[in-house]
Amino acid sequence: GAGVSQSPSNKVTEKGKDVELRCDPISGHTALYWYRQRLGQGLEFLIYFQGNSAPDKSGLPSDRFSAERTGESVSTLTIQRTQQEDSAVYLCASSSSGTTPNEQFFGPGTRLTVL
Amino acid sequence: GENVEQHPSTLSVQEGDSAVIKCTYSDSASNYFPWYKQELGKRPQLIIDIRSNVGEKKDQRIAVTLNKTAKHFSLHITETQPEDSAVYFCAAREGNNRLAFGKGNQVVVIP
Repeated sequence: GAGVSQSPSNKVTEKGKDVELRCDPISGHTALYWYRQRLGQGLEFLIYFQGNSAPDKSGLPSDRFSAERTGESVSTLTIQRTQQEDSAVYLCASSSSGTTPNEQFFGPGTRLTVL
Repeated sequence: GENVEQHPSTLSVQEGDSAVIKCTYSDSASNYFPWYKQELGKRPQLIIDIRSNVGEKKDQRIAVTLNKTAKHFSLHITETQPEDSAVYFCAAREGNNRLAFGKGNQVVVIP
């Protein structure tokens, strides 16, 4: 079946502009995660959605970052007034349940470059 | 929250030798420990995981061991091959169902 998909694959934007990144999780997966990976670095947790529960936003680095998820489907990560330090690969992952340990399946990521 | 550390940051091994990567975690309540492999330019993929009620798990050339008392777990790769060259991330599942990832280990297998 189809895996996690993300769009766009690459995004180049100018400092100060807003960007919207999209994630389509695997169908039926109730848990969805966003991570940021700077060049040569690890995976930095941003936000976690589990079913209809309130999202865990504790990893968002500033109020310029926000994310939404429609039911148990598509999620969008929005970065307002982008800064150069926002340049990174943004990875989305989904799993069949967030309440029991399960494999997280990652999307291919969106490479964001802020000029 | 959970703090996961990996050692060493970079590991070079001769093809055919074994590679061992160690991770430590801070939260004794963590109960699930996956390892992800990320090849250059690709997405992370799960290679093996272990739950806290098990001390060791093996899958062909890879194995993971868990020491709950010492709060560390290790990835063992035997008979390394060039395609094992990648960045390996360990993680620990926090009580709030998130995964806390380590910073990654670069493994280089020298032919």
